[in-house]
Amino acid sequence: GQSLEQPSEVTAVEGAIVQINCTYQTSGFYGLSWYQQHDGGAPTFLSYNALDGLEETGRFSSFLSRSDSYGYLLLQELQMKDSASYFCADHTDKLIFGTGTRLQVFP
Amino acid sequence: NAGVTQTPKFQVLKTGQSMTLQCAQDMNHNSMYWYRQDPGMGLRLIYYSASEGTTDKGEVPNGYNVSRLNKREFSLRLESAAPSQTSVYFCASSGTGVSTEAFFGQGTRLTVV
Repeated sequence: GQSLEQPSEVTAVEGAIVQINCTYQTSGFYGLSWYQQHDGGAPTFLSYNALDGLEETGRFSSFLSRSDSYGYLLLQELQMKDSASYFCADHTDKLIFGTGTRLQVFP
Repeated sequence: NAGVTQTPKFQVLKTGQSMTLQCAQDMNHNSMYWYRQDPGMGLRLIYYSASEGTTDKGEVPNGYNVSRLNKREFSLRLESAAPSQTSVYFCASSGTGVSTEAFFGQGTRLTVV
């Protein structure tokens, strides 16, 4: 089966750096995706890691370690608009989402 | 380019009533999905379709049925609605290959009273 675990909530201040972790248990794992969802909105795609290492996209970076069954999303230079829920996702067999992490950014 | 379109956006049902949620995508995607999201919770997969003519159960399929009408359309049916099915429902689609991103509809807010 597929399962992904995330911390339920993370808080930070504007301008800071925050890391959102994701641990997974999937047989034949392909890769890890990250999605952002603002309150009342639909999820939107942020990034995908198929290989170990860091992928950088602007202020957001995503990391994967297959040997540790672990990944994270790194958000730099936090802005108020980054307050949202963040989900890791596994597309190995069917698209399954993690439990989600609510990020609150304070001024 | 509309992307993924869901209808309706809001719906109130009485217990025992039936309804169908419609979803259509215009990106020529093979895979389509239905999720439910309860307040403060994650996205749980109800059913998915890897290609036209195929459907498979997800994590929480009980009480639901689906139809992949053609490549564009994937509908979700509640035969006898229950209060436990009060939720926000999202349809999504993605192309072939595990790295392709999924695109979501705007969601249907369903209340069963």
